Amino acid sequence: QVQLVESGGGLVKPGGSLRLSCAASGFTFSDYYMSWIRQAPGKGLEWVSYISTSSRYSNYADFVKGRFTISRDDAKNSLYLQMNSLRAEDTAVYYCVRGTREPLNWGQGTLVTVSS
Amino acid sequence: DVVMTQSPLSLPVTLGQPASISCRSSQSLVYSDGNTYLNWFQQRPGQSPRRLIYKVSNRDSGVPDRFSGSGSGTDFTLKISRVEPEDVGVYYCMQGTHWPPYSFGQGTKLEIK
Repeated sequence: QVQLVESGGGLVKPGGSLRLSCAASGFTFSDYYMSWIRQAPGKGLEWVSYISTSSRYSNYADFVKGRFTISRDDAKNSLYLQMNSLRAEDTAVYYCVRGTREPLNWGQGTLVTVSS
Repeated sequence: DVVMTQSPLSLPVTLGQPASISCRSSQSLVYSDGNTYLNWFQQRPGQSPRRLIYKVSNRDSGVPDRFSGSGSGTDFTLKISRVEPEDVGVYYCMQGTHWPPYSFGQGTKLEIK
């Protein structure tokens, strides 16, 4: 069955960096667009970024543009999110998601806490 | 940006009774390919979101048939014909037509009266 397992979350100071990873299994990873969606504690869902197949293009929500970079390694069935210049408002659970317009499978999420 | 507005935000329901959640978008969700990318998600307490409905009215595999989606253009509805205990959670609509960014409604919290 489809599995998406995120890792790399943790506590980081404002202005710091973190790299999230997502290990995918149970489907042909290279055939799918992949996304990151986040959820601040007790809040709703918010799109962060997505990447196309073959890494041809990627898109970002305005609030992370220039700070976050999405990437993928199809040989390793893995998705990444490099997060720089982190702010307190970036504190959230970050979900790795298969798909974009119709996101189907979600990981369990990894918590990123930005605090001094 | 397309704004998705759900109502109500809180929905107390008696077991076995129907429930309905409305979702309105600030722009039509009909995409250039003719499809309407409106999804519904359920998030049970402590769990990741789970997709229930895609393209307005298509139920995902394993989703009970008491869940149904309808609507067009800018107005959409999720209905539960008879609420069961396992339906407790937060329900989100999401549009996948317009980027940037794809967007979610604020969420509707369903609880048992």
